[in-house]
Amino acid sequence: NAGVTQTPKFQVLKTGQSMTLQCAQDMNHEYMSWYRQDPGMGLRLIHYSVGAGITDQGEVPNGYNVSRSTTEDFPLRLLSAAPSQTSVYFCASSYRPSTDTQYFGPGTRLTVL
Amino acid sequence: DQQVKQNSPSLSVQEGRISILNCDYTNSMFDYFLWYKKYPAEGPTFLISISSIKDKNEDGRFTVFLNKSAKHLSLHIVPSQPGDSAVYFCAARRTNAGGTSYGKLTFGQGTILTVHP
Repeated sequence: NAGVTQTPKFQVLKTGQSMTLQCAQDMNHEYMSWYRQDPGMGLRLIHYSVGAGITDQGEVPNGYNVSRSTTEDFPLRLLSAAPSQTSVYFCASSYRPSTDTQYFGPGTRLTVL
Repeated sequence: DQQVKQNSPSLSVQEGRISILNCDYTNSMFDYFLWYKKYPAEGPTFLISISSIKDKNEDGRFTVFLNKSAKHLSLHIVPSQPGDSAVYFCAARRTNAGGTSYGKLTFGQGTILTVHP
């Protein structure tokens, strides 16, 4: 199993550009989520999904869109990037929402100029 | 409003000694607490957890203590090893009224642990 994979590892955008951060897992996990990590802030939940076709907002959803068309993939879209979205983004998954072991991907470091 | 706080940004200990990492929370609805460990350029990995019905959970060198009345938990690492050097995140979640947690974790800011040989 590859576990949770994220692409790209690094990305630099200009203000106003759009992009999609990819996340995939091959463990047949129901639950997937996106977090961002900022200095001094810990990890904050952006969006999450409890299964294909079901998504919901987390703590900091503004500026981000998600969709879950398959169990394996959970992409995060930035429609119009802003410097405030400069961060490290982590995707995570677990078998069931109530399972404590969330597996995290290696992260995507995004810089918005 | 930071509902989960790790007030020590960093901790430095000697190899073989005990490391104690602390975490405070404000939301009394949290009923499950976790510790994650993170190495540079990697994602966090789950370390140990504790339910609010317990006050202690042990797994090898790692023990988590929960003091509900003080809304405080701590992670003890004994003995500390240089490979334990990492960022440690405390996290908490609540189970909703239906008994199903949607896995929504609230994280603390993290504590950088450095274990010197």
